[in-house]
Amino acid sequence: SQQGEEDPQALSIQEGENATMNCSYKTSINNLQWYRQNSGRGLVHLILIRSNEREKHSGRLRVTLDTSKKSSSLLITASRAADTASYFCATESHTGANSKLTFGKGITLSVRP
Amino acid sequence: KAGVTQTPRYLIKTRGQQVTLSCSPISGHRSVSWYQQTPGQGLQFLFEYFSETQRNKGNFPGRFSGRQFSNSRSEMNVSTLELGDSALYLCASSLVPGQGDYGYTFGSGTRLTVV
Repeated sequence: SQQGEEDPQALSIQEGENATMNCSYKTSINNLQWYRQNSGRGLVHLILIRSNEREKHSGRLRVTLDTSKKSSSLLITASRAADTASYFCATESHTGANSKLTFGKGITLSVRP
Repeated sequence: KAGVTQTPRYLIKTRGQQVTLSCSPISGHRSVSWYQQTPGQGLQFLFEYFSETQRNKGNFPGRFSGRQFSNSRSEMNVSTLELGDSALYLCASSLVPGQGDYGYTFGSGTRLTVV
């Protein structure tokens, strides 16, 4: 079952513009992660934000987390054609010694040169 | 260091057959998780192994099974294949889930087509 739901489902922007993607989830989490996937290949881990953090940066990426609203956003600044991919948010909840990622359905980002 | 290695990259099987997929985690990573990705259901958790023990299992039928070896390499097996098992199967490795929140490293996946 999907925990996270990303919004929008598809996003098309011009190179150089910023891309903002949102994710909402339903249950309590230990952390939230964003992944990128190019053309049905493996997932690439982009950034992780813990439940006690509100904002995190990594290069051109900025992620925020609002646990009261159970939502997160990923901002990619100064987008490039190479950023064209599918982006997934995933929540991780630790139950005892168990841990697993629950993914949203993903956002398709197209960056036009 | 080498990433997560999944073999084979592509597989075509016939309904009713069985298949075994392999995953070698990053050296030093002791936890391996498996996910199934389909256009309809998206990414779904199959199971997680740590120290040769299955610690967590998703909501899949018993036809889906797995194991982990002492060198942390993992295999998953699907028996009596159905058309709906056609998917990209992804393996992810991590140091020790639940401690430190380090994120996961995924392999490139095995694309299974059942005909």
